Amino acid sequence: AQSVTQLGSHVSVSEGALVLLRCNYSSSVPPYLFWYVQYPNQGLQLLLKYTSAATLVKGINGFEAEFKKSETSFHLTKPSAHMSDAAEYFCAVSDRSAGNMLTFGGGTRLMVKP
Amino acid sequence: GAGVSQSPSNKVTEKGKDVELRCDPISGHTALYWYRQSLGQGLEFLIYFQGNSAPDKSGLPSDRFSAERTGGSVSTLTIQRTQQEDSAVYLCASSLARAGGIYEQYFGPGTRLTVT
Repeated sequence: AQSVTQLGSHVSVSEGALVLLRCNYSSSVPPYLFWYVQYPNQGLQLLLKYTSAATLVKGINGFEAEFKKSETSFHLTKPSAHMSDAAEYFCAVSDRSAGNMLTFGGGTRLMVKP
Repeated sequence: GAGVSQSPSNKVTEKGKDVELRCDPISGHTALYWYRQSLGQGLEFLIYFQGNSAPDKSGLPSDRFSAERTGGSVSTLTIQRTQQEDSAVYLCASSLARAGGIYEQYFGPGTRLTVT
Protein backbone atom coordinates (compact mmCIF):
# COMPACT_ATOMS: atom_id res chain seq x y z
CA ALA A 1 0.00 0.00 0.00
CA GLN A 2 1.12 3.51 -0.58
CA SER A 3 0.16 6.87 0.81
CA VAL A 4 1.05 10.52 0.50
CA THR A 5 1.02 13.16 3.20
CA GLN A 6 1.15 16.85 2.47
CA LEU A 7 1.95 18.94 5.51
CA GLY A 8 -0.08 22.12 5.60
CA SER A 9 -3.40 22.35 3.84
CA HIS A 10 -2.83 26.08 3.38
CA VAL A 11 0.42 27.93 2.78
CA SER A 12 0.69 31.69 2.43
CA VAL A 13 3.76 33.49 1.06
CA SER A 14 4.53 36.98 -0.10
CA GLU A 15 5.18 37.66 -3.75
CA GLY A 16 8.87 37.12 -4.42
CA ALA A 17 9.36 34.84 -1.42
CA LEU A 18 10.43 31.21 -1.45
CA VAL A 19 7.70 28.63 -1.95
CA LEU A 20 8.08 25.33 -0.09
CA LEU A 21 5.32 22.74 -0.23
CA ARG A 22 5.97 19.55 1.69
CA CYS A 23 5.24 16.01 0.60
CA ASN A 24 6.10 12.73 2.27
CA TYR A 25 5.25 9.37 0.83
CA SER A 26 5.02 5.77 1.85
CA SER A 27 5.56 3.08 -0.72
CA SER A 28 6.61 -0.55 -0.64
CA VAL A 29 8.38 -0.23 -3.97
CA PRO A 30 10.58 2.48 -5.48
CA PRO A 31 8.05 5.13 -6.33
CA TYR A 32 7.19 7.34 -9.18
CA LEU A 33 6.27 10.71 -7.72
CA PHE A 34 4.39 13.63 -9.19
CA TRP A 35 3.34 17.15 -8.42
CA TYR A 36 0.15 18.48 -9.99
CA VAL A 37 -1.33 21.96 -9.87
CA GLN A 38 -5.02 22.77 -10.01
CA TYR A 39 -6.28 26.24 -10.79
CA PRO A 40 -9.87 27.14 -9.85
CA ASN A 41 -12.48 25.23 -11.83
CA GLN A 42 -9.85 23.44 -13.88
CA GLY A 43 -8.41 19.96 -14.04
CA LEU A 44 -5.01 18.91 -12.83
CA GLN A 45 -1.87 19.91 -14.69
CA LEU A 46 1.41 18.09 -14.26
CA LEU A 47 4.19 20.26 -12.82
CA LEU A 48 6.91 17.65 -12.65
CA LYS A 49 7.61 13.97 -12.08
CA TYR A 50 10.30 11.80 -10.50
CA THR A 51 11.05 8.56 -12.29
CA SER A 52 14.23 7.31 -10.59
CA ALA A 53 16.63 9.27 -12.75
CA ALA A 54 17.97 12.53 -11.33
CA THR A 55 16.87 13.21 -7.76
CA LEU A 56 16.42 16.92 -8.45
CA VAL A 57 13.60 17.36 -10.88
CA LYS A 58 12.80 20.59 -12.68
CA GLY A 59 9.30 21.31 -13.82
CA ILE A 60 7.27 24.00 -15.45
CA ASN A 61 6.81 27.56 -14.19
CA GLY A 62 10.11 27.54 -12.30
CA PHE A 63 9.17 24.78 -9.86
CA GLU A 64 11.47 21.98 -8.83
CA ALA A 65 11.39 19.09 -6.39
CA GLU A 66 14.03 16.93 -4.78
CA PHE A 67 13.56 13.23 -4.10
CA LYS A 68 15.12 12.23 -0.78
CA LYS A 69 14.83 8.52 -0.20
CA SER A 70 16.21 8.66 3.35
CA GLU A 71 13.49 11.13 4.31
CA THR A 72 10.80 9.64 2.02
CA SER A 73 10.15 13.18 0.88
CA PHE A 74 9.51 14.98 -2.38
CA HIS A 75 9.11 18.63 -1.44
CA LEU A 76 8.21 21.21 -4.07
CA THR A 77 10.04 24.53 -4.19
CA LYS A 78 10.17 27.72 -6.19
CA PRO A 79 12.69 30.45 -5.41
CA SER A 80 10.37 33.39 -6.00
CA ALA A 81 6.59 33.25 -5.79
CA HIS A 82 4.43 34.98 -8.35
CA MET A 83 0.80 35.97 -7.96
CA SER A 84 -0.09 33.52 -10.73
CA ASP A 85 1.21 30.63 -8.60
CA ALA A 86 -1.84 30.85 -6.35
CA ALA A 87 -3.53 27.47 -6.78
CA GLU A 88 -3.91 24.08 -5.15
CA TYR A 89 -1.00 21.68 -5.37
CA PHE A 90 -1.20 17.92 -5.13
CA CYS A 91 1.58 15.44 -4.58
CA ALA A 92 0.93 11.94 -5.91
CA VAL A 93 2.59 8.55 -6.03
CA SER A 94 2.10 5.94 -8.71
CA ASP A 95 1.71 2.33 -7.81
CA ARG A 96 3.79 1.26 -10.83
CA SER A 97 1.60 -1.82 -11.09
CA ALA A 98 -0.76 -2.83 -13.83
CA GLY A 99 -2.60 0.43 -13.86
CA ASN A 100 -0.22 3.15 -12.76
CA MET A 101 -3.05 4.63 -10.74
CA LEU A 102 -2.23 7.70 -8.72
CA THR A 103 -2.61 8.05 -4.98
CA PHE A 104 -2.87 11.71 -4.05
CA GLY A 105 -2.06 13.69 -0.97
CA GLY A 106 -4.68 15.94 0.55
CA GLY A 107 -3.49 19.00 -1.34
CA THR A 108 -1.99 22.32 -0.31
CA ARG A 109 -3.61 25.58 -1.21
CA LEU A 110 -0.96 28.20 -1.95
CA MET A 111 -1.88 31.82 -1.41
CA VAL A 112 0.42 34.58 -2.64
CA LYS A 113 0.19 37.99 -1.01
CA PRO A 114 1.16 41.11 -2.93
CA GLY B 1 -4.48 19.29 -30.09
CA ALA B 2 -7.63 18.72 -28.10
CA GLY B 3 -7.31 17.71 -24.49
CA VAL B 4 -9.53 15.51 -22.36
CA SER B 5 -13.09 16.77 -22.39
CA GLN B 6 -15.86 16.00 -19.95
CA SER B 7 -19.57 16.65 -20.00
CA PRO B 8 -21.58 18.05 -18.47
CA SER B 9 -19.41 20.53 -16.61
CA ASN B 10 -22.03 20.79 -13.88
CA LYS B 11 -24.85 18.46 -12.94
CA VAL B 12 -27.45 18.95 -10.25
CA THR B 13 -29.65 15.98 -9.52
CA GLU B 14 -32.13 14.88 -6.94
CA LYS B 15 -31.29 12.15 -4.47
CA GLY B 16 -32.27 8.78 -5.86
CA LYS B 17 -31.89 9.69 -9.53
CA ASP B 18 -29.36 8.11 -11.89
CA VAL B 19 -26.68 10.21 -13.58
CA GLU B 20 -24.27 9.65 -16.45
CA LEU B 21 -20.98 11.48 -16.77
CA ARG B 22 -19.07 11.44 -20.03
CA CYS B 23 -15.35 11.55 -20.79
CA ASP B 24 -13.69 12.00 -24.17
CA PRO B 25 -10.00 11.12 -23.85
CA ILE B 26 -7.17 12.40 -25.98
CA SER B 27 -7.16 10.61 -29.30
CA GLY B 28 -4.76 7.67 -29.28
CA HIS B 29 -4.57 7.37 -25.51
CA THR B 30 -5.15 3.77 -24.55
CA ALA B 31 -5.47 4.25 -20.80
CA LEU B 32 -8.38 6.04 -19.17
CA TYR B 33 -8.93 6.78 -15.50
CA TRP B 34 -11.76 8.15 -13.39
CA TYR B 35 -11.03 9.92 -10.11
CA ARG B 36 -13.30 11.65 -7.62
CA GLN B 37 -12.46 14.85 -5.77
CA SER B 38 -14.55 15.57 -2.70
CA LEU B 39 -14.16 17.69 0.38
CA GLY B 40 -14.21 14.77 2.73
CA GLN B 41 -12.12 12.24 0.82
CA GLY B 42 -9.78 14.34 -1.30
CA LEU B 43 -8.74 12.92 -4.66
CA GLU B 44 -9.38 9.20 -5.00
CA PHE B 45 -9.08 6.69 -7.80
CA LEU B 46 -12.29 5.06 -9.03
CA ILE B 47 -11.71 2.92 -12.12
CA TYR B 48 -9.13 2.30 -14.85
CA PHE B 49 -9.46 1.12 -18.43
CA GLN B 50 -6.60 -0.11 -20.60
CA GLY B 51 -7.29 -1.04 -24.19
CA ASN B 52 -9.60 -4.01 -24.43
CA SER B 53 -8.65 -5.44 -21.05
CA ALA B 54 -11.14 -5.83 -18.25
CA PRO B 55 -11.29 -2.60 -16.25
CA ASP B 56 -9.79 -2.28 -12.79
CA LYS B 57 -12.79 -1.39 -10.65
CA SER B 58 -10.99 -1.57 -7.33
CA GLY B 59 -11.68 2.07 -6.46
CA LEU B 60 -15.43 2.11 -7.00
CA PRO B 61 -17.05 2.95 -3.64
CA SER B 62 -20.23 0.91 -4.11
CA ASP B 63 -22.15 -1.17 -6.63
CA ARG B 64 -24.17 1.93 -7.50
CA PHE B 65 -21.14 3.06 -9.49
CA SER B 66 -20.30 1.59 -12.88
CA ALA B 67 -18.41 2.67 -15.96
CA GLU B 68 -17.92 1.56 -19.50
CA ARG B 69 -15.65 2.51 -22.32
CA THR B 70 -16.95 2.05 -25.81
CA GLY B 71 -14.67 1.37 -28.74
CA GLY B 72 -11.64 2.07 -26.62
CA SER B 73 -12.42 5.76 -26.61
CA VAL B 74 -15.33 7.53 -24.91
CA SER B 75 -16.16 6.51 -21.35
CA THR B 76 -19.31 6.92 -19.32
CA LEU B 77 -19.44 6.82 -15.54
CA THR B 78 -22.90 5.97 -14.24
CA ILE B 79 -24.08 6.51 -10.69
CA GLN B 80 -27.39 4.88 -9.83
CA ARG B 81 -29.71 6.01 -7.05
CA THR B 82 -27.51 8.98 -6.22
CA GLN B 83 -26.88 9.91 -2.60
CA GLN B 84 -25.78 13.22 -1.15
CA GLU B 85 -22.35 11.80 -0.37
CA ASP B 86 -21.87 11.30 -4.12
CA SER B 87 -21.59 15.08 -4.49
CA ALA B 88 -18.07 15.72 -5.77
CA VAL B 89 -16.04 16.66 -8.81
CA TYR B 90 -15.49 13.68 -11.06
CA LEU B 91 -12.24 13.88 -13.00
CA CYS B 92 -11.28 11.84 -16.02
CA ALA B 93 -7.70 11.36 -17.18
CA SER B 94 -6.08 9.60 -20.09
CA SER B 95 -2.57 8.53 -20.93
CA LEU B 96 -0.61 6.86 -23.68
CA ALA B 97 0.43 3.59 -22.14
CA ARG B 98 0.02 1.03 -19.43
CA ALA B 99 2.03 -0.45 -16.61
CA GLY B 100 5.70 0.11 -16.20
CA GLY B 101 5.62 3.30 -18.12
CA ILE B 102 5.73 6.77 -16.72
CA TYR B 103 3.38 8.38 -19.12
CA GLU B 104 1.70 11.51 -17.93
CA GLN B 105 -1.97 11.36 -17.12
CA TYR B 106 -3.79 14.27 -18.74
CA PHE B 107 -6.82 15.42 -16.80
CA GLY B 108 -10.07 16.85 -17.99
CA PRO B 109 -11.76 19.84 -16.32
CA GLY B 110 -14.12 17.60 -14.38
CA THR B 111 -17.84 17.32 -13.84
CA ARG B 112 -19.18 18.90 -10.67
CA LEU B 113 -22.01 16.74 -9.39
CA THR B 114 -24.38 18.09 -6.77
CA VAL B 115 -26.99 15.79 -5.27
CA THR B 116 -29.81 17.63 -3.54
